[in-house]
Amino acid sequence: DIQMTQSPSSLSASVGDRVTITCQASQDISKYLNWYQQKPGKAPTLLIYDASNLRTGVPSRFSGGGSKTDFTLTINGLQPEDFATFYCQQFDKLPYTFGQGTKLEIK
Amino acid sequence: EVQLAESGGGLVKPGGSLRLSCAASGFSFSTYSMNWVRQAPGKGLDWVAAISSRSDYIYYGDSVKGRFIISRDNAKNSLFLDMTSLRAEDTAVYYCARDLVVGATRGTFDVWGQGTLVSVS
Repeated sequence: DIQMTQSPSSLSASVGDRVTITCQASQDISKYLNWYQQKPGKAPTLLIYDASNLRTGVPSRFSGGGSKTDFTLTINGLQPEDFATFYCQQFDKLPYTFGQGTKLEIK
Repeated sequence: EVQLAESGGGLVKPGGSLRLSCAASGFSFSTYSMNWVRQAPGKGLDWVAAISSRSDYIYYGDSVKGRFIISRDNAKNSLFLDMTSLRAEDTAVYYCARDLVVGATRGTFDVWGQGTLVSVS
């Protein structure tokens, strides 16, 4: 199975900050990488698909990049509603696998 | 409005069985692949199973293979997960999730239900 490793596991930041979360795949997955946001007690929501494509309706302060084994999720100008847990997920090979999550907290 | 609504969760003893259902509305259910994804309490996301739009392709995660069966009824806009030989480690919130692209089993989950809790104890 492809292992997905996110860093950091947790992160404290302030409203208005720029933050970057990284995700590393255990093998080349091209750009078959998605990012999800999950708020407490809620289902995850899709933010970015195919590594860099912003889902319709997601604010443009979110962006994704990378390919092969190294990927990033960047949030430019954090807003109060952005504090949540973020997961990367590969869909290059079955079984689909997720990173362990990055919890973004208010400083 | 596009919606998914899971039901059927509950408390079950180890070795027991349970059937989860997911009712879809607001979109053409029969044209999308569907998935089950679970999340143990306080833990991350774990993909469980996928089924193509016409049930011709079915895939399972390693930890549930041979114990869980995913199925669908397109006439009733419903997705199912039959779980047998349940273990304590199957305790989780189970989400149904739609695949992003019509007609493809792509592994990108763009619509999620609210989840249903399965407790094995």
